[in-house]
Amino acid sequence: ETGVTQTPRHLVMGMTNKKSLKCEQHLGHNAMYWYKQSAKKPLELMFVYSLEERVENNSVPSRFSPECPNSSHLFLHLHTLQPEDSALYLCASSQESGGWGTDTQYFGPGTRLTVL
Amino acid sequence: SQQGEEDPQALSIQEGENATMNCSYKTSINNLQWYRQNSGRGLVHLILIRSNEREKHSGRLRVTLDTSKKSSSLLITASRAADTASYFCATQAGTALIFGKGTTLSVSS
Repeated sequence: ETGVTQTPRHLVMGMTNKKSLKCEQHLGHNAMYWYKQSAKKPLELMFVYSLEERVENNSVPSRFSPECPNSSHLFLHLHTLQPEDSALYLCASSQESGGWGTDTQYFGPGTRLTVL
Repeated sequence: SQQGEEDPQALSIQEGENATMNCSYKTSINNLQWYRQNSGRGLVHLILIRSNEREKHSGRLRVTLDTSKKSSSLLITASRAADTASYFCATQAGTALIFGKGTTLSVSS
């Protein structure tokens, strides 16, 4: 888990708050991902960044706003969330060689988000 | 639509027994990966098997792939209490991996 770090590990916020989740990868990878994991549901891919450019946005509500300032850092900015957004948010990175998804993804420990 | 579907959803065994989990998928794949997740933590990559491979081993793990049946299995031999976790298969779809709901394995001592 030290290859990909996420902060904070736990976050409780009200629906009117604005907060940000941070992810940092120390593996020299060129792609980063945000996933949402809700209870009893498969991991849902939210965003994919390759070389700091967003290459996928899976119909995620605009109250989630990603930012990738460089290849090592990924943020997820949160505002006016709903209680159903409470979940474990996982960041991952990989070294993509052109065949998407053909390489191992390395995950961070996640941020447990609770929206009151 | 969901690509990987694990079976069973939950599995309880005793230490020392073998655990077998299955994964079925719907479309053609380049590879299939298995991941493990301890409760409330991130996923850890276990093994990747390519579409032209039929079987792969890593320590106590054995993965098989049958592309004609669009299925894969993960066998954990001589299980330990520390193997208690959720196990996910993942297949490629577009630019990223698609995960199933996972199999929750409980190994009691």
